[in-house]
Parts: sequence; C-alpha cells; structure tokens
Amino acid sequence: DQQVKQNSPSLSVQEGRISILNCDYTNSMFDYFLWYKKYPAEGPTFLISISSIKDKNEDGRFTVFLNKSAKHLSLHIVPSQPGDSAVYFCAARDTDKLIFGTGTRLQVFP
Amino acid sequence: GAGVSQTPSNKVTEKGKYVELRCDPISGHTALYWYRQSLGQGPEFLIYFQGTGAADDSGLPNDRFFAVRPEGSVSTLKIQRTERGDSAVYLCASSLTAGVISEDTQYFGPGTRLTVL
Repeated sequence: DQQVKQNSPSLSVQEGRISILNCDYTNSMFDYFLWYKKYPAEGPTFLISISSIKDKNEDGRFTVFLNKSAKHLSLHIVPSQPGDSAVYFCAARDTDKLIFGTGTRLQVFP
Repeated sequence: GAGVSQTPSNKVTEKGKYVELRCDPISGHTALYWYRQSLGQGPEFLIYFQGTGAADDSGLPNDRFFAVRPEGSVSTLKIQRTERGDSAVYLCASSLTAGVISEDTQYFGPGTRLTVL
C-alpha cells in the first residue's frame, strides 16, 4: 500500500496561470515533506519543503500548503512558466528515508 | 560546488551477471542514500549510510543486493546474479547530516540506468 499518493498522473496548464499539484499521505507520523522536480535523464532536484509544524511555506513562485487533518499537501506554482514542465514528486520523510509518490507530469503550454 | 555524481550513466548487462554502480556524494556530506526508480514509479529507498556504516538497509529487496562505503565518501552498490526485474534507474543522494533531528535536504545524482537483458 502506498503511503504517499499523487492521484493525478498529469496536469496541463497555460503559461501565466496557476499550477496546483496535490499529494495525499496516510502516515500521521511523517514530520517533513518535500517536493522534487525531475527532468528526463536527470535526477530529482529539490524544490521546496515544509515541516509538519507549519501549514505553509513560500519560496518565490512556489508555495507548499500542508493540511495535517486531511493528510494532504499541495504545491502551487504561480505564474507557471514553460520551463516548469517536468515531473513533480511529493515525498515524506520517514526517519532516515524519503517515501515518494508516483509523480505528476506538469506541462505548461504557451 | 560539484553535485552528486554517479557512474556509469548507463549499464547494460545480461541476466546472471554481476554489476557495480558507483556514487560520489557532495563533498562533506556524511549521509548517503540509494534509491531505485522503476518506470512510472517514484524513487524507492534501498539503503542509507551514516559515515561508513549502513544505518538502514531495510529497503534492499534481497541478498543479491549489497552496498559499501568503506571510507565514508564514495559508495558502491553491488548486484549479484542480476535478473530482468532489476532493470531500473538507480539513484544516489547525499545530505549534510541525517536523522529526525535534521532537516537536511537530500540532493540526488543523475542516476544509473541499469538494463538487464
């Protein structure tokens, strides 16, 4: 059973609009959450993170929201740019390791 | 500074052969992780080193898989008697420290794509 789920395999957004990527988790003991971005033939690149004691973290165009009661987090990208087109992975920290979702492929079109 | 590097970038081998995959972490990072990513999936944890010792190897799928980090820097993932199901991208990551008291980020290398024919 997957502890971290990204139920949308793909998302298509127009340039300049907001992209919202969602992630659900099942283990309430997770204390830290991260988003990674992955281009083809490259390793995942760290994007933004949030501690379980917070509900929002913002870094430039990227904001992560955490709703602990719903065991849900989301990544907002605004405004979306064509260079944001990639696969986005949500990850939760379980002591010393990361547990990843299956990813959402974001395509930003002009 | 240099990021995490992995060699080779691609490895094609035949079923039953032995392979070694190498990871060079970011200089000064004490924690090193190996993950495996199969097609359409997210990375899955294999093993984690703190210094020279394997602190958690709970993700290794079976005893054909083994990893070492003898001097606390470079690590080698070793797979014996490879099977077609071992085909995947093997990712290495490193972080400055590790553990629940740290919020250190794991930085990933580009991966080694292993294909077992």
